Amino acid sequence: EAGVAQSPRYKIIEKRQSVAFWCNPISGHATLYWYQQILGQGPKLLIQFQNNGVVDDSQLPKDRFSAERLKGVDSTLKIQPAKLEDSAVYLCASSLVAGVEAFFGQGTRLTVV
Amino acid sequence: SQQGEEDPQALSIQEGENATMNCSYKTSINNLQWYRQNSGRGLVHLILIRSNEREKHSGRLRVTLDTSKKSSSLLITASRAADTASYFCATDAGGNKLVFGAGTILRVKS
Repeated sequence: EAGVAQSPRYKIIEKRQSVAFWCNPISGHATLYWYQQILGQGPKLLIQFQNNGVVDDSQLPKDRFSAERLKGVDSTLKIQPAKLEDSAVYLCASSLVAGVEAFFGQGTRLTVV
Repeated sequence: SQQGEEDPQALSIQEGENATMNCSYKTSINNLQWYRQNSGRGLVHLILIRSNEREKHSGRLRVTLDTSKKSSSLLITASRAADTASYFCATDAGGNKLVFGAGTILRVKS
């Protein structure tokens, strides 16, 4: 079975620029998560989708971050404008049922300079 | 905010020894999970224990859960160099979320 696909793997941008990350979850998984993981810390939940609806986005900085999941499958996470503190690994995960075993992609390492 | 807090923050042991990591959480839960993260394979699910279970085994892994103390422990027996990784607990925070703790860094020396 194919895993969770994310792209790009690495991205370097200057502050105030915009960036987008893409995620393709495992086929049939209704729940999709985006996490931000800063070096040395645990993953922080940014947004959770159930099909194409948002379940939780309480920790998403909505003034600069946005996410969508069109047709309940692929998802994109955008940052505009980026700040230095946004440097982190952005992880996408999916699960068949919310709140149980999740499968993670390899992540996108973002460096903002 | 993080739901779980792992203890210790870092652990260094010799190959063949057992490693124990602890996790405390804040809210009621339906289940608690443990994940491993290393540079090669990313973040991988290890085991899930439900709130009505007290202990669960999977290979060399043993997980306990004490809901009265809001805590869990992960025991890795007969550790190997390949077990070197960061270990995270995660809970559903009583709903359908997946909220992670700060993690324990385990180093197994050969």
